Amino acid sequence: GESVGLHLPTLSVQEGDNSIINCAYSNSASDYFIWYKQESGKGPQFIIDIRSNMDKRQGQRVTVLLNKTVKHLSLQIAATQPGDSAVYFCAENLHVNTGNQFYFGTGTSLTVIP
Amino acid sequence: DTEVTQTPKHLVMGMTNKKSLKCEQHMGHRAMYWYKQKAKKPPELMFVYSYEKLSINESVPSRFSPECPNSSLLNLHLHALQPEDSALYLCASSQGIAGGLQETQYFGPGTRLLVL
Repeated sequence: GESVGLHLPTLSVQEGDNSIINCAYSNSASDYFIWYKQESGKGPQFIIDIRSNMDKRQGQRVTVLLNKTVKHLSLQIAATQPGDSAVYFCAENLHVNTGNQFYFGTGTSLTVIP
Repeated sequence: DTEVTQTPKHLVMGMTNKKSLKCEQHMGHRAMYWYKQKAKKPPELMFVYSYEKLSINESVPSRFSPECPNSSLLNLHLHALQPEDSALYLCASSQGIAGGLQETQYFGPGTRLLVL
């Protein structure tokens, strides 16, 4: 299953399928991007990050792809499990003289159907 | 230890009350952040502290007053709040190396605030 984060905020996938969650970021000066998972009643949990000098980064069952040309980020989750059900946010890091600013995308709610 | 703790977990207050939210981390991080999150919305940055000094204030109303008494603690003082201020308030921290870029943030579980 696949979502466009800003226009399709919910995504339902069957257990075992792959999930793709998309995110469009706004600032071309952002040089660091993070995907967070947020379960109900909890704070955002770091999943994976990618720096702007990379196109792809892989973790355990997750892959992040970065396309700077169109300012687009995606999170791929392999073999999605019920425990992956949560809201997923991308965040862009903009470094200014006074410190780091992090701005979050709209979020996509992922539901895994057993 | 990559834990950020926040107290209280839940808070109900009236519009004339004064209350404080607390955040603590022991990772040696020098940057700490307050975010506000409404239901089904992304976290919105409120304040950034860098080396115990307020470095970023995202045009937050003065009824929210942050304080960083030392490198491990971050408070958010609340006074004369409005019902629309009801939200989940998240604290986060990152290494905050001076001039450092690309730092991972670690979030606490949040304080769920209800203003009546």
